[in-house]
Amino acid sequence: KNQVEQSPQSLIILEGKNCTLQCNYTVSPFSNLRWYKQDTGRGPVSLTIMTFSENTKSNGRYTATLDADTKQSSLHITASQLSDSASYICVVSEQENNDMRFGAGTRLTVKP
Amino acid sequence: DVKVTQSSRYLVKRTGEKVFLECVQDMDHENMFWYRQDPGLGLRLIYFSYDVKMKEKGDIPEGYSVSREKKERFSLILESASTNQTSMYLCASSSSFGSYEQYFGPGTRLTVT
Repeated sequence: KNQVEQSPQSLIILEGKNCTLQCNYTVSPFSNLRWYKQDTGRGPVSLTIMTFSENTKSNGRYTATLDADTKQSSLHITASQLSDSASYICVVSEQENNDMRFGAGTRLTVKP
Repeated sequence: DVKVTQSSRYLVKRTGEKVFLECVQDMDHENMFWYRQDPGLGLRLIYFSYDVKMKEKGDIPEGYSVSREKKERFSLILESASTNQTSMYLCASSSSFGSYEQYFGPGTRLTVT
C-alpha cells in the first residue's frame, strides 16, 4: 500500500475559483513534506516544503498546510488560473534515511 | 538555478533494443536518481547513486541498469527493452547537504513498440 495517498485523483474547476487538494500519509518517522507541481510533459517543480514544526507555508496563490498529528496535508489554490492546470504531487520524506515517498498526484484542470 | 537535462524528450524504440537514457546536472550534486512515472502510480524509484561509480537499487530495478562514471552524469540503461517499459522517465539530483530537495529534469517519454 502506498504510504502517501492523494485525493482527488483528478479535479476540474473554473478559472478564478479556489480548490483544495488533499494528501494523507503513513510515512514514519516523518522528516518533511513537499508539494510539487508538474506541468504536462515536464518534470516536477517544488512549490513548498514543510517540516514537523511548520503547519502552513505559502507560495503566492498556493498555501500548504500540515497536521503532523493526523498525518494530513492540503494544498489550497486561490483564484485559479489556466496555468495552474497540472499534476500536483505530494512527497513525504522519512527522517532516518531521507527516503522520499511519492503520492500518485492530483490532476487539476482549470477551464476558462 | 539548478539545471537537470535529459538527452531526449521523446524516444521510440523496438522490443529487444538496448536503450540509453542520459541525465546531466550542473550543480555538483552528489545524489542522482532515476524514476519512472505511470498514470495512477506516481513516481517510482528505479535506481539512485550517491557518488561516482556508486549505485543503489530502488523500488523497481528489474530490467534496468545504471552507470555513473562522472559526478554530473547518470545514465539509465535498458538492456533489452520491452513494451512494459513504455513510460515517462524522470531524472533528478540533490545535494547531500541542506534540504535534500530533488531537482527534476524535463523527462523522457519512451515508447517501446
